Amino acid sequence: EIVLTQSPDFQSVTPKEKVTITCRASQSIGSSLHWYQQKPDQSPKLLIKYASQSISGVPSRFSGSGSGTDFTLTINSLEAEDAAAYYCHQSSSLPITFGQGTRLEIK
Amino acid sequence: QVQLVESGGGVVQPGRSLRLSCAASGFTFSNYGLHWVRQAPGKGLEWVALISYDGSYKYYADSVKGRFTISRDNSKNTLYLQMNSLRAEDTAVYYCAKDYGSGSGWPHSSYFDLWGRGTLVTVSS
Repeated sequence: EIVLTQSPDFQSVTPKEKVTITCRASQSIGSSLHWYQQKPDQSPKLLIKYASQSISGVPSRFSGSGSGTDFTLTINSLEAEDAAAYYCHQSSSLPITFGQGTRLEIK
Repeated sequence: QVQLVESGGGVVQPGRSLRLSCAASGFTFSNYGLHWVRQAPGKGLEWVALISYDGSYKYYADSVKGRFTISRDNSKNTLYLQMNSLRAEDTAVYYCAKDYGSGSGWPHSSYFDLWGRGTLVTVSS
């Protein structure tokens, strides 16, 4: 099983700040890494597919990078509405796994 | 309207059974792989099971293997999860999610481009 480890677990940030969340895989997964945003009491929403590919309708301040074992989700100029939990997800091999999540609090 | 709507959750005693359903609309249901993903209260996402577009391939998380069965009825645009021998640790919101791909052929999965709103299952005596 591929283990995904996110850091940090929690971050308190101010609006307009730049945020970086990392996801490390226990073995190489190529670019089969996807990012989701989950706001309180909502279902997850796809943010980035295949490490760096943007999703229609997702604000351009969200971007992804990385390949192999190390991946990054970057949020430029954070907005209040970005308060949420963020999860990485690998589809390289079964079983499918998720990172433990990163919760962003807006100060 | 493109959506997935789960139903069937509730309170059940340990050791009993429950069947969840997920009704799909707005897309060609029979073309896509589907998943169940769960989230225990205050916890992260845990993948549960996958079924391919035609139901011929299924895969389960170790935590539910032998107790849960995923199935689909393409004539009814509905996904199911039969949950037997339920345990307290199965308490969670259960989401159905649509795969971008068909679920057939390695690696059998891609990203999840559509999620339902979830149904809460509580296992308690």
